Order: sequence, then C-alpha cells, then structure tokens
Amino acid sequence: GEDVEQSLFLSVREGDSSVINCTYTDSSSTYLYWYKQEPGAGLQLLTYIFSNMDMKQDQRLTVLLNKKDKHLSLRIADTQTGDSAIYFCAEDTASKLTFGTGTRLQVTL
Amino acid sequence: GEEVAQTPKHLVRGEGQKAKLYCAPIKGHSYVFWYQQVLKNEFKFLISFQNENVFDETGMPKERFSAKCLPNSPCSLEIQATKLEDSAVYFCASSQWQGDTEAFFGQGTRLTVV
Repeated sequence: GEDVEQSLFLSVREGDSSVINCTYTDSSSTYLYWYKQEPGAGLQLLTYIFSNMDMKQDQRLTVLLNKKDKHLSLRIADTQTGDSAIYFCAEDTASKLTFGTGTRLQVTL
Repeated sequence: GEEVAQTPKHLVRGEGQKAKLYCAPIKGHSYVFWYQQVLKNEFKFLISFQNENVFDETGMPKERFSAKCLPNSPCSLEIQATKLEDSAVYFCASSQWQGDTEAFFGQGTRLTVV
C-alpha cells in the first residue's frame, strides 16, 4: 500500500522544540518532503531531504531520515505561535506526491 | 505569473450539477498536478499533465471527472453530476520539470456539494 502515517496532533509550549514524525512506505522515493498548511491556505513547502542523506538542517528546521525504518521526522526549534498549522510529510512516488495524514501542531503560550 | 492561480476560491453546487475548476500554473512550468483534499485532511492525487498531455491519470475517478490543459488557457478540472462525496478542497500544483524538488501549490478551490 501507499499509506504514509503521521500522528494526528501535537501540542507544545512556545519556545520548546516540536518533533513531528512520519512513517512512509516507498523505499524507492528519491525525495521526502515536509509541507505546512495554515487554515484555509494552500501547501507551503518547508524543506525536503534527498533519500541518500540522513539529516538536513535549515535554520530552525531539522529533518532526520532513517531509511532502514522508513522513518522521517521534522524538528522545529524554538517553536513560535506562527508555527501552528498542519504539517504533512510526503514522498515522491512515480512522479507524484503521496502525502501523510497530517499532524496538527498547536503552540500554546 | 509567479504563483499558481486557482479559481474560484469557493464553489457551491447542488447534487447533480456540473462543477468546473480552473488552474493557471506558474509561467514556464511544464507539469501540472491536481490533488483532492477531503475533510479529514487526506490528500488524494488525481491527475498530472506534462504541458497539454496527460502524464498520469491513475488517481482520476473513472466516471464524472475530466481534466484538460490546453495551450494558452488555464488548466481545468470538471466534475459532471456532482455528488455529496465530491465536497473537498481541490489543489493544483505546478513544477518546472519531472522530478523537480518543488511543486508550487495554489490556494485551492473549496467545492461544496449540497
């Protein structure tokens, strides 16, 4: 199957780190992505990682990839209220994106 | 344009009516993708185009759904005889080439079938 799984909900306090996890299925994916969706808006690409890497850092974002376990994570350092959104991981499968189920991140003061 | 433009933002149709959604990809992008996001946030791939040619239509329902990308016109997604379960947000995305690491998404069209 092509199910990409994420936990539904994560709540963190402002200033803490957030870690959003994703389990994917297609070991042949070349790239894995993290997208952000704010209410009523489209998808914003946050970052991506090439499948032969195991880590990528981009300012407050750190992506970790464990190919053996098909596990992808996104760490957001110093989480801010503006980070509240739904986060989707995605894998490219045959030139199209297969999205995860989405994790709603709630940032509390 | 520099962004993917989808129209209309909202569309309400009675069951059985036709719905037509439009997408103008970013100028210079050869690939266009349509995705359907249903109420539980699940994204479903529908169809992709390479210029005006269908590239992958494995996600398109066999009946009632059709799509086109004609030269010098916005791409379109048409649903004949809409059903309640067609209610969703339909996103269009474009990318420069196959395997491009970034597909740019439009803001979506929210279709409500009543």
